[in-house]
Amino acid sequence: EIVLTQSPGTLSLSPGERATLSCRATQSITANSLAWYQQRAGQAPRLLIYGASNRATGIPDRFSGSGSGTDFTLTISRLEPEDFAVYYCQQYGGSPPGTFGQGTKVDIK
Amino acid sequence: QVQLEQSGAEVKKPGSSVKVSCKASGGNFNNNAISWVRQAPGQAPGQGLEWLGGFIPLLGTANYEQRFQGRVSITADESTSTVYMELSSLRSEDTALYYCARSLYRVAVTGPFDHWGRGTLVTVSS
Repeated sequence: EIVLTQSPGTLSLSPGERATLSCRATQSITANSLAWYQQRAGQAPRLLIYGASNRATGIPDRFSGSGSGTDFTLTISRLEPEDFAVYYCQQYGGSPPGTFGQGTKVDIK
Repeated sequence: QVQLEQSGAEVKKPGSSVKVSCKASGGNFNNNAISWVRQAPGQAPGQGLEWLGGFIPLLGTANYEQRFQGRVSITADESTSTVYMELSSLRSEDTALYYCARSLYRVAVTGPFDHWGRGTLVTVSS
C-alpha cells in the first residue's frame, strides 16, 4: 500500500520568497503518476501539476514539479499573495488508488 | 467551459443513505471519467482528501476504493450528463464535503482531476 507523506506540515514564508514542498511515497510510483493540487480556503482543489512535472492548463510557470520514484517536489519560484493555500500531492497509478498526501499549508510569515 | 454542478447539502440519520448528483456541462461527457472525492470538515493544514470511486462514461462502468466497496454506488445518466454517488449505512464519520471531479483521461478514474465541483456537504447526525 502506497502512503504519501508531505513535508513540512506548515511553511511560513513571505510574498516573493521561494517555496519548496516535498511529497514522499512509501513505494515507487508507477510512471510518475503524481499530481499536485492547490486548495484555497473555501474552494475546491485545483490541479497544478500532473505526471510529476507537467503543468496543467492555465497554471503560471512559477509552479514547477520534479522528482521520480518515491521523492517528489513542488516548487513555487516566487510566492504571490494568492499562492498562500494548502497543497496536496496525489498518486493515481498505484494501490490503493487515488491516495492523497495530508497536505502542506503555505502561510504568510 | 467545463462545469460540474452538484446537488445541495444533505442532513441524514445514521444508518440511512444519501444520493448526490453531479451534472457535467461544457464538454463531451464520454471523454472523461468522473470521480467522487470527499473531505472531512476540520482544521488546517489540511483535512484529508479521500477518493471513493469513479465512473467511466465511455465504458459505462464504475470502480470503487476497496474500503467503500459494498457501501458506495456510482451511476450515471448519459442523457443528462449526470453522475450520481449513493453512500449507504451512513455513520457520523461520513460527515464530509463530497466533491465530484473530472479526470484528465477517459478511463483513469483515479485522476488526475482537472475540474472539480463546488462540493456537497453531507452531515450525518442523529
